Amino acid sequence: SYELTQPPSVSVSPGQTARITCSGDALPKQYAYWYQQKPGQAPVVVIYKDSERPSGIPERFSGSSSGTKVTLTISGVQAEDEADYYCQSADSSATYVVFGGGTKLTVL
Amino acid sequence: QVQLVQSGSELKKPGASVKVSCKASGYTFTSSEMNWVRQAPGQGLEWMGWINTNTGSPTYAQGFTGRYVFSLDTSVSTAYLQISSLKAEDTAVYYCARRYSYSWGLRSWGQGTLVTVSS
Repeated sequence: SYELTQPPSVSVSPGQTARITCSGDALPKQYAYWYQQKPGQAPVVVIYKDSERPSGIPERFSGSSSGTKVTLTISGVQAEDEADYYCQSADSSATYVVFGGGTKLTVL
Repeated sequence: QVQLVQSGSELKKPGASVKVSCKASGYTFTSSEMNWVRQAPGQGLEWMGWINTNTGSPTYAQGFTGRYVFSLDTSVSTAYLQISSLKAEDTAVYYCARRYSYSWGLRSWGQGTLVTVSS
């Protein structure tokens, strides 16, 4: 079955730029979405359709796509950005949804 | 504003059944497909499937067939997830999530319902 691959963890200091990648063979065909999940809370979408930012999401969150990889970039990371981040997409036939394994962002 | 409000935590014995509700407000219920997502303790997100809110037709992901039933009551803008023959490994937080139109992204999420299966 189709899989999305994320690094398990990323660490950055406050004010630096964090980049979280997500790889999958169908990403050139299907949009990617990024969710932020803080402990004990429901996920919140921070990027949709590869690079669109929902209203209310800070401008420091951005998304990009290149071939079979998508990237979530958080510029000027703040302590409050420490969370788990999940990418999500669909298989090439648009039959089912798949989540990446999640990346724990640690703000040092 | 859009809200998805789920029912409260449940503690069930193995073999029992549970029904989780997800009440939608702030938008037209039948305008967005409703998805269900499972998160086992300390684990990632796992897509369970979705239900067409116009027709009531469910689609179940691999691994979520047989014991799982998605249903609707459109008169009260509520979606349901029922799990039968519960096992310890069903212990998880279950989320409902509203999909973006014409795409697979999940734009709004319920707060989650913790289902604990223990004897």
